[in-house]
Amino acid sequence: KAGVTQTPRYLIKTRGQQVTLSCSPISGHRSVSWYQQTPGQGLQFLFEYFSETQRNKGNFPGRFSGRQFSNSRSEMNVSTLELGDSALYLCASSWPHDGSTLETQYFGPGTRLLVL
Amino acid sequence: ELKVEQNPLFLSMQEGKNYTIYCNYSTTSDRLYWYRQDPGKSLESLFVLLSNGAVKQEGRLMASLDTKARLSTLHITAAVHDLSATYFCAVENLVYQLIWGAGTKLIIKP
Repeated sequence: KAGVTQTPRYLIKTRGQQVTLSCSPISGHRSVSWYQQTPGQGLQFLFEYFSETQRNKGNFPGRFSGRQFSNSRSEMNVSTLELGDSALYLCASSWPHDGSTLETQYFGPGTRLLVL
Repeated sequence: ELKVEQNPLFLSMQEGKNYTIYCNYSTTSDRLYWYRQDPGKSLESLFVLLSNGAVKQEGRLMASLDTKARLSTLHITAAVHDLSATYFCAVENLVYQLIWGAGTKLIIKP
């Protein structure tokens, strides 16, 4: 079974630009979560989607948004990029048996974003 | 608000030794996860602990959960260099979110 894939793997943007990151979950997985990882703040939760519905959102400004499609693929968008948005963005998918819990999350390789 | 604390944050040890990483969390949860991250890589699932007294073992790693004490431990037995990595614990809250510890960077010297 193919793992979680994320594209692109690396990205360089300048301040003020916007970026869209893509995540393809493991086949059959319906829950997708996004995280930001930085050396200073560690792993921070961005949002979680289940069957195209955002069920929770972390403490990030509205510049960070996401969506999930009917095939469970997910995208996240960051508008008006700031230097502090430089980070590794990780996507994780899981197969919640009944949707009431997350179950074990399987992570993609991440997208490393550098904002200049 | 659920908070997760790991200690130590950094651990340097010799091969062959035993050590334990601790993960404390602040509010009730029945699901705790351990992950491993190698430098420059993504996270790999190690264990999921679902109930009080749960114990899981894989090779030289053993994880346990005490929900009453809100404590999980990851015990390393007879460490080998290949276990060098950063280890994270994460606790699931009631709203589909994992709350992560800061990670324990483990260096095992030959």
